Amino acid sequence: GAVVSQHPSWVICKSGTSVKIECRSLDFQATTMFWYRQFPKQSLMLMATSNEGSKATYEQGVEKDKFLINHASLTLSTLTVTSAHPEDSSFYICSARPDSLSYEQYFGPGTRLTVT
Amino acid sequence: LAKTTQPISMDSYEGQEVNITCSHNNIATNDYITWYQQFPSQGPRFIIQGYKTKVTNEVASLFIPADRKSSTLSLPRVSLSDTAVYYCLVGDPLMDMGRRALTFGSGTRLQVQP
Repeated sequence: GAVVSQHPSWVICKSGTSVKIECRSLDFQATTMFWYRQFPKQSLMLMATSNEGSKATYEQGVEKDKFLINHASLTLSTLTVTSAHPEDSSFYICSARPDSLSYEQYFGPGTRLTVT
Repeated sequence: LAKTTQPISMDSYEGQEVNITCSHNNIATNDYITWYQQFPSQGPRFIIQGYKTKVTNEVASLFIPADRKSSTLSLPRVSLSDTAVYYCLVGDPLMDMGRRALTFGSGTRLQVQP
């Protein structure tokens, strides 16, 4: 089946620094990828839609200047958390759907971000 | 967006069949129903998807009544490794780049006991 990877799997950073998280589709192309965040014991919240070759579309309430998304190629999207603060500590997950007509979304393993 | 309602938690024993029902009263004509499984600190995993009637794959069955206002995920003979959170999502996978089909509700926390 299709595989989506994320890197790093976990990261600890100091408050005020920026962190980049990569999402890769390993064996398929994805024009569109999605980014979520998940707090402990809570559900996934869709943050933004990442589009190859164009600007990302952010969900209401998500700061686009804080969560920078770059969809550099058909297999790579990156999420950069800028000027991170402890409240940004969360589990960040990406997903992608093959550009074929498959309706299935494939999710990455997630990245645990801890801001100290 | 079609809102979904699921039981918050369910308990079962190994070897039993588990049925998790999801209500989605305002499902739209083009909406599909998709179920995902999530283990702690992992991304969700696709289980099954359907539009109407019954869909079966190697891990589960999905039952959808004619009015499509609810759906039931059936897991046959669960094992301890099926302990996870199960999410029911409803939306049009072709609309808005699939975004509308990616609204996660609270999910159902299934605990399988030995």
